[in-house]
Amino acid sequence: SQQGEEDPQALSIQEGENATMNCSYKTSINNLQWYRQNSGRGLVHLILIRSNEREKHSGRLRVTLDTSKKSSSLLITASRAADTASYFCATLDDYRLSFGAGTTVTVRA
Amino acid sequence: DAGVIQSPRHEVTEMGQEVTLRCKPISGHNSLFWYRQTMMRGLELLIYFNNNVPIDDSGMPEDRFSAKMPNASFSTLKIQPSEPRDSAVYFCASSQTGQGASQPQHFGDGTRLSIL
Repeated sequence: SQQGEEDPQALSIQEGENATMNCSYKTSINNLQWYRQNSGRGLVHLILIRSNEREKHSGRLRVTLDTSKKSSSLLITASRAADTASYFCATLDDYRLSFGAGTTVTVRA
Repeated sequence: DAGVIQSPRHEVTEMGQEVTLRCKPISGHNSLFWYRQTMMRGLELLIYFNNNVPIDDSGMPEDRFSAKMPNASFSTLKIQPSEPRDSAVYFCASSQTGQGASQPQHFGDGTRLSIL
């Protein structure tokens, strides 16, 4: 079953702009992970944020986590055409990753 | 590091045929996962192996599906007999997990399965 729900479902931006997507989840978590999936490829792990962390950065990525609201956001700054992909949040319960439906991001040149 | 290797990348077969999907996890990883991805249901965990032992197969749809991991470097997912509703992209993922550890999963590029 899907634990996380991403919003929006789709996002189209101009190269150089920032892209923000949100994820809401239902139950308590140990950590929350974000993955990227390029068309026709497997998922690639981007970043992991633990339940006791509020914000984390990795290159052009910034992730926030609000456990009181059971929500997380992923910000991609200065987007590039290569960032065109689907982005998924996933919550981890023991070994089980539960993925949301994803946000499809299109970066226009 | 070669990553997780899946074969075949694409499979088209007729209803009723047996289908075998293969996966080679990353060397040194002790956990292996099979997922199915469809537009309607998203990503679903089918089965989880730890140290070659099936730990959780609650996601396997029905008895037509079976999975094996005879050694640390190879796993198969078999569908027999196949049905059109089995059409999906099947992913294998591996990770290094231990008690209390939260390691990211590494995915293969999937097998796109079409059952006619």
